[in-house]
Amino acid sequence: DVKVTQSSRYLVKRTGEKVFLECVQDMDHENMFWYRQDPGLGLRLIYFSYDVKMKEKGDIPEGYSVSREKKERFSLILESASTNQTSMYLCASSPRQGYGYTFGSGTRLTVV
Amino acid sequence: QKEVEQNSGPLSVPEGAIASLNCTYSDRGSQSFFWYRQYSGKSPELIMFIYSNGDKEDGRFTAQLNKASQYVSLLIRDSQPSDSATYLCAWLNFNKFYFGSGTKLNVKP
Repeated sequence: DVKVTQSSRYLVKRTGEKVFLECVQDMDHENMFWYRQDPGLGLRLIYFSYDVKMKEKGDIPEGYSVSREKKERFSLILESASTNQTSMYLCASSPRQGYGYTFGSGTRLTVV
Repeated sequence: QKEVEQNSGPLSVPEGAIASLNCTYSDRGSQSFFWYRQYSGKSPELIMFIYSNGDKEDGRFTAQLNKASQYVSLLIRDSQPSDSATYLCAWLNFNKFYFGSGTKLNVKP
């Protein structure tokens, strides 16, 4: 089975801090994605990547950046955390276009 | 705006009944639809996908796609309490999914 591992299950950070969320997949998938999930708003795409060192903005990229230096790792960076970034963050990967995602277990981030 | 609409529920059905979950979409160019199940506090997991008009069956699950009417459905036969979860409909546009906000299903013993 494909495993998508997110480094932290729960995080509490202070407003203004720089926050790194790490995601690693172990099945050589081409594509990786970062979503946030909020009650009533569903899953919203922040950034995605089709290849190493490649990134594209999703629907809500403001306040976030990403890094993909190695194929298996896709990091989400909150440049200066704000309380409206309190959310569940989900990383996902897929082998190639047209395939379903495998999600990580999620990181619940609270910004205080 | 590419939109996928779902009734948030909750949808309550008795154990053993058929649960019917529905999703409508706005983009006539949509080709592929996926259903994900998400248990409370867990991440979504893929349960079915459908590309063509008509029905696709997998065990107790049947996905139905009607492109003319722009809706996709998921039927769960012989519903079990373990099916209680939120079901997310997702539309695949090239390599990105657009998700509905999900329908919460409660299966009562």
